[in-house]
Amino acid sequence: NAGVTQTPKFQVLKTGQSMTLQCAQDMNHEYMSWYRQDPGMGLRLIHYSVGAGITDQGEVPNGYNVSRSTTEDFPLRLLSAAPSQTSVYFCASSDWDTQYFGPGTRLTVL
Amino acid sequence: AQTVTQSQPEMSVQEAETVTLSCTYDTSESDYYLFWYKQPPSRQMILVIRQEAYKQQNATENRFSVNFQKAAKSFSLKISDSQLGDAAMYFCAYRSRNNDMRFGAGTRLTVKP
Repeated sequence: NAGVTQTPKFQVLKTGQSMTLQCAQDMNHEYMSWYRQDPGMGLRLIHYSVGAGITDQGEVPNGYNVSRSTTEDFPLRLLSAAPSQTSVYFCASSDWDTQYFGPGTRLTVL
Repeated sequence: AQTVTQSQPEMSVQEAETVTLSCTYDTSESDYYLFWYKQPPSRQMILVIRQEAYKQQNATENRFSVNFQKAAKSFSLKISDSQLGDAAMYFCAYRSRNNDMRFGAGTRLTVKP
C-alpha cells in the first residue's frame, strides 16, 4: 500500500516554463488536494477535488490548473512558472475526516 | 474565511517533561474538524491527533492530548513525557465540512536532553 505518491521530488524551472506535478493515491479516496508551503508559513490550499471530474479553488489558486479524470490521479499544472511559485508542494488525499500527505515536491523557479 | 493562529513560533521542553502548544481559530461554523500535524526535517506531514467539533470529549493519542474549548475557539496540544523524537514543527489545522482546510504558521518544538 503506497499511500500518496508525488513525482518529482525536486524540480528546477526557468521563468515561463511549464510543468506538471504528479500525484497518485491508492486508497480509493474521493477527496484530493494540493498545498504549497513557503518558509515560515503553514500549508496553503491551492486546489482540491471531491471526486473525479470535480475540482474547486482553494486559498491560493492563481497560476495553477488541475484536473481529475480518475479517482487515483490529481496532477497540478503550472502553465507559466514564476519565481513566486518557488515552494514545496504537497498533495494529499482524504477519507471522511483525515488527510494523508505525500512526501512533497521542492520546486525552484529561477 | 477561517483563520488559524499559532502564537508560539518556537517552544522548548526538557526531555520527559510536558509541553503545551497553543492554537486558536476563527470560524462561524458549528461543525468542523481540528488537527495537529507534525513535520520533522524529512518534511513528511504526520497526523498527530484529530478532534471533531461536535464531540465534547477531548481527543487523546498515547502521550498526546488536546484541550478543545469550542466556545473560546481554542485547540491546544499537550505532549507528555516528551521524547527527543518529538522535536519537529507542529501545525494546527482546521477543516470545514466543505473540505476547505487552513493551517496555522507552525510552532517549532525543541526537545532538550
